[in-house]
Parts: sequence; C-alpha cells; structure tokens
Amino acid sequence: QQQVKQSPQSLIVQKGGISIINCAYENTAFDYFPWYQQFPGKGPALLIAIRPDVSEKKEGRFTISFNKSAKQFSLHIMDSQPGDSATYFCAGETSGSRLTFGEGTQLTVNP
Amino acid sequence: ETGVTQSPTHLIKTRGQQVTLRCSSQSGHNTVSWYQQALGQGPQFIFQYYREEENGRGNFPPRFSGLQFPNYSSELNVNALELDDSALYLCASRPGQQETQYFGPGTRLLVL
Repeated sequence: QQQVKQSPQSLIVQKGGISIINCAYENTAFDYFPWYQQFPGKGPALLIAIRPDVSEKKEGRFTISFNKSAKQFSLHIMDSQPGDSATYFCAGETSGSRLTFGEGTQLTVNP
Repeated sequence: ETGVTQSPTHLIKTRGQQVTLRCSSQSGHNTVSWYQQALGQGPQFIFQYYREEENGRGNFPPRFSGLQFPNYSSELNVNALELDDSALYLCASRPGQQETQYFGPGTRLLVL
C-alpha cells in the first residue's frame, strides 16, 4: 500500500527559479515529515523536516509548507541552482519507527 | 559526512547465493534501520534494530535477516538471492529516539 504519493516524477527548472515538489500522505499516525536529497551514488541526506503542528518551516532557500487537514506537504526551493540537481524524496515517519518514502522527484536545474 | 559507513560498495552475486552486507554507525547510535532502494524508486523499509533487538519489520520475507552488535555495527543477511533483490541497500542510524536518521552511502547489489 502506497502511503506517500509524490509529484512530479521529474522537474526541470531554470537557474534562479522556484522548484516545487508536492507530497500527499495517508497514514495519520505520521508525526515527522523529512525531505531527503540524494545524489547519484550516494545515500539520502536530510535536507529539512517538519512536524505536523507547524504549517511552515524555512531553512535558507528551502521551505516546507504543511497542510494537516489536506494531508499534504510540499518543498519549495527558492533561487534554484545547478548544484541542487538531485533526486528529492519526501517521507513520513511514526515516532521512532520506519520512514515511508515517496517515489522521488528528479530535479534538473539548467544554468 | 554522516558517520555511517557501509561495505562493500558494490557486490555481484548469482541467484540462490547468500550475501552479508555490513554497516558501521556512529558511537551512541543505538537504532539502525535497513532499506532497499530499487532503481528509480524510493527506499523501502526492511527492518529496524534497537539495542541489538529487532523492533520493526517491513514487508520482506524471512530470508532477509539482520544483526546488530554492541560496537554499533550491524549486518544485513539475504539468503537464496533472487534477481529482484538487485538494488541499493541502505543503512541508517540514529541516537536513541531522535528523529533524524543518518544514511550511509549504500551497497549496490547485483544478482545475476
């Protein structure tokens, strides 16, 4: 059963543009929502994370927007750079337990 | 760097064989999880160990087994390998109940 749906599957953005990736979840027991960034040949690295009692969290150029009633959350990358080109995964976690990942979004930022 | 290392980096096996993958976590990271990532997909949870006891398992058959050792290292064992077991196997660790899981670089397994 797919519990975290992520879109789009791929995204192409011009340098300086805004990248937006969306996720929807089913499991209301999730209480922690991280975003991971993965480069080819590397393991996922935590980018930013949010708890459901907060509607928005910003760290530098990265912002998570969270809508608990709609069971949706999104990642916004402002001023996208070619170095941001990677695969991004959203995930949900029930405290201290497993991560359930989305299918991933391959982001390409053109110079 | 996450402080999580995995070995080997790449491995080729034939169908029916057995394989052992290894992970070394940071000191104090009592929780370790293993994930399978097929090409072009998100990681799938295999199981989690806390203080050397399995305390959670995903939808994987019993031929996937694990061990966690007191020195913060762990193993993933897969018996009777199948072609579909070809994937990147990721180890993730964290100190106690802290949310952040730190992933290693993974082991790329190819089953022929």
